[in-house]
Amino acid sequence: GEDVEQSLFLSVREGDSSVINCTYTDSSSTYLYWYKQEPGAGLQLLTYIFSNMDMKQDQRLTVLLNKKDKHLSLRIADTQTGDSAIYFCAEAYYGNNRLAFGKGNQVVVIP
Amino acid sequence: DAGVTQSPTHLIKTRGQQVTLRCSPKSGHDTVSWYQQALGQGPQFIFQYYEEEERQRGNFPDRFSGHQFPNYSSELNVNALLLGDSALYLCASSLWDGGDEQFFGPGTRLTVL
Repeated sequence: GEDVEQSLFLSVREGDSSVINCTYTDSSSTYLYWYKQEPGAGLQLLTYIFSNMDMKQDQRLTVLLNKKDKHLSLRIADTQTGDSAIYFCAEAYYGNNRLAFGKGNQVVVIP
Repeated sequence: DAGVTQSPTHLIKTRGQQVTLRCSPKSGHDTVSWYQQALGQGPQFIFQYYEEEERQRGNFPDRFSGHQFPNYSSELNVNALLLGDSALYLCASSLWDGGDEQFFGPGTRLTVL
């Protein structure tokens, strides 16, 4: 079934790296996504990875996928104050466009 | 190129009333999905529309219904509103074929009193 878990809160100093973790349980997932949500706003698609990949890098963002442990992580290099937000991981359900989300991880960047 | 748009931005209703929320997908997208995000939670899938038909449905009661128009825009209707329906309602658009990217609108904040 769809059961995505995330840790809840992360505090990081500006300029440091942030790592957000997520575990998923649905072995039939095809895509795994990271979304960013700022206060009062909708979801912004940051990046996504296909489930046959191990890693994807996109500018300051690095996504790592451990299929054996069903563990997904997002690393943000050189974290900026504008990175303060809630980050959601999500998985595509049964290979279609239905997304199952975790509860989110709030990242607070300290200047 | 406009992204996903939703209206209204905010809405206040009372218990028992009915509400209609609207969504226009990103240009070129043909599939619209609706999600409910309660405070402090991740979004939950309500249903998805493609070619004017409901294609998938999450675990939501029949009070939640929808519609898709020939121009791909969509409406979400909720009847007999309950206090627990208060949430941010998000619309996501994508392509039915090869739709690996889903883009979300800003959402409609519904408050039921």
